[in-house]
Parts: sequence; C-alpha cells; structure tokens
Amino acid sequence: NAGVTQTPKFQVLKTGQSMTLQCAQDMNHNSMYWYRQDPGMGLRLIYYSASEGTTDKGEVPNGYNVSRLNKREFSLRLESAAPSQTSVYFCASSEGRYSNQPQHFGDGTRLSIL
Amino acid sequence: DQQVKQNSPSLSVQEGRISILNCDYTNSMFDYFLWYKKYPAEGPTFLISISSIKDKNEDGRFTVFLNKSAKHLSLHIVPSQPGDSAVYFCAASIQGAQKLVFGQGTRLTINP
Repeated sequence: NAGVTQTPKFQVLKTGQSMTLQCAQDMNHNSMYWYRQDPGMGLRLIYYSASEGTTDKGEVPNGYNVSRLNKREFSLRLESAAPSQTSVYFCASSEGRYSNQPQHFGDGTRLSIL
Repeated sequence: DQQVKQNSPSLSVQEGRISILNCDYTNSMFDYFLWYKKYPAEGPTFLISISSIKDKNEDGRFTVFLNKSAKHLSLHIVPSQPGDSAVYFCAASIQGAQKLVFGQGTRLTINP
C-alpha cells in the first residue's frame, strides 16, 4: 500500500528558481492538502483541494500555486523560490470533504532555498 | 496568532508510566480535535480524535480528554512504550470546514 507518495524527497534550490512538488494518492480520496512544517510552528496549511477541479487557499498561500491534475494528483509549485520557503512540505489526503475525517500524510519533501 | 498551542516542546517519561500531553486552544468555534503522531523522516499519522459532544475518547492505550470550559485537551498514553517516542501534534477543526489547525508539537521520549 503506497498511500500518499511525494516526490522528490529532498531538493536544494537557488533563490529565484522554480520547482514543482508532486503528490499522488492511491486511496481514491476526494480531498488533498499541502502543508509546510517549520520549527516551532507545527504544520500550516498552504492550499487544499476539496475535490477534483477545485482548489482553495489555506493559511499561508503566498508564493505558491497548486494544480489538482486529477483525483489522484495534487502538485505544489514555487514560481520564484525564496529562502523563507525553506521548509519541509507535506501532502495529505482524506476521504471526504471535511476536516474531521483523518488525513493521511506522505513522508514529506525537505526543500532548502539558498 | 496561534489558535492551538502545545506549550511543552518536549516531555520525557519512563517506560511503563503514564505520558500526558497537553494542548490548549483559543477559538471556541473548534468542535473536533485530533492527535497525530510523527516519527522522524515520516509524515504524521492519525492517532485518535474527539468530538466536542464528548469529554473522553479511548482507544487501547490512548485516551483523549476534552475540557471545553477550559479550552483544553490532553492525550494520555498508558503504559508508555519505547515505540511511543515521537512528536505528537494536536489539531482542531470546525465541523463543516475543510481546514485543520495544528499545534506546534511535543516531542515525547520514553526512557527504558
């Protein structure tokens, strides 16, 4: 059971470079999410997609774009990377549209911006 | 403004004893609460949850208590085992909303 798969696991970028983080789930879940985790900050929601074809901003969307390519895949794009975007990024999915249904997380992408 | 707070960054407990992890929230609209466990280099995994209509929910060694008047919840692990060593996040949501708000996490270390 793969669950939620994130690629790449690690990446180093220079300031101003662009990059797309990939996420795919094989649980036929409707909702998908992107979080970032920073020391002392917990996980903060960047964007989410309640269903295929819809996306909405979370708590910290600035500097990011997302695409819900199909039901399985939800990508996160940094158009012009900044050092403040150095973080660990987690993708998650859940069966339903509501946050009281447990989310299943991938193992994260550790991103460093120099 | 941190709506969900875990004020203890770390906790050390002896194997076999009780571990108590605490979480406070400020938004009275929150009505569903979850605990997640995270090992290094892995994503968080769901542990246990509680609705605001209850004050206790139990699942094996894990029990979550909710005190709505104090806006406080706690996770009890009894007995604590070495495999429980991890970072624990509490999270809160509003029914019908899509978003979870996470606390900062508490690193639990179980000592032999």
